[in-house]
Amino acid sequence: EAGVTQSPTHLIKTRGQQVTLRCSPISGHTSVYWYQQALGLGLQFLLWYDEGEERNRGNFPPRFSGRQFPNYSSELNVNALELEDSALYLCASSLVWDNEQFFGPGTRLTVL
Amino acid sequence: GESVGLHLPTLSVQEGDNSIINCAYSNSASDYFIWYKQESGKGPQFIIDIRSNMDKRQGQRVTVLLNKTVKHLSLQIAATQPGDSAVYFCAENGGSQGNLIFGKGTKLSVKP
Repeated sequence: EAGVTQSPTHLIKTRGQQVTLRCSPISGHTSVYWYQQALGLGLQFLLWYDEGEERNRGNFPPRFSGRQFPNYSSELNVNALELEDSALYLCASSLVWDNEQFFGPGTRLTVL
Repeated sequence: GESVGLHLPTLSVQEGDNSIINCAYSNSASDYFIWYKQESGKGPQFIIDIRSNMDKRQGQRVTVLLNKTVKHLSLQIAATQPGDSAVYFCAENGGSQGNLIFGKGTKLSVKP
């Protein structure tokens, strides 16, 4: 069974640009979560999608947004990139919410 | 505020010894806890979970203990191996918010 996949693996952008990250959950999983992991820090919750709806949002500005598609894959969009947005962006999925979350390998975003 | 913290940011053990990684949580409403292992350049890997109706759960070479009275969680790794070297995160569900709240992580180094 394939795990959570994310694309791209690495990305370099400049300040002010926009970026879209993609995530495919484990087959059958309906919940998708996005986390940000800045260098040397823990994981900070960004967004939770379930059945196509945004269910919860972390303490991040509105320029962080996303969506979940009918096939349960998800996109994370970040507008007006800032230097401090440089981080590993991790996507996780779960079969049902409040159950174990399985993580993808992440997308390493560098903002110059 | 809600937080999950770790008592020891780094832990160095001899190969073959047992390791104990500790975690304190502050949200009394949390009823689901997970331990993750993260190797360099990879996404977090699920190790073991426990719900608040239990105080102990065992897996292969790992045991999680939950003390709700003092809001403490621990991960015990038996016969620690070099492949166990990684950063370990505890996470709580904050009372079924959907997303997980992560601690800052403990780096485990195993000396051969």
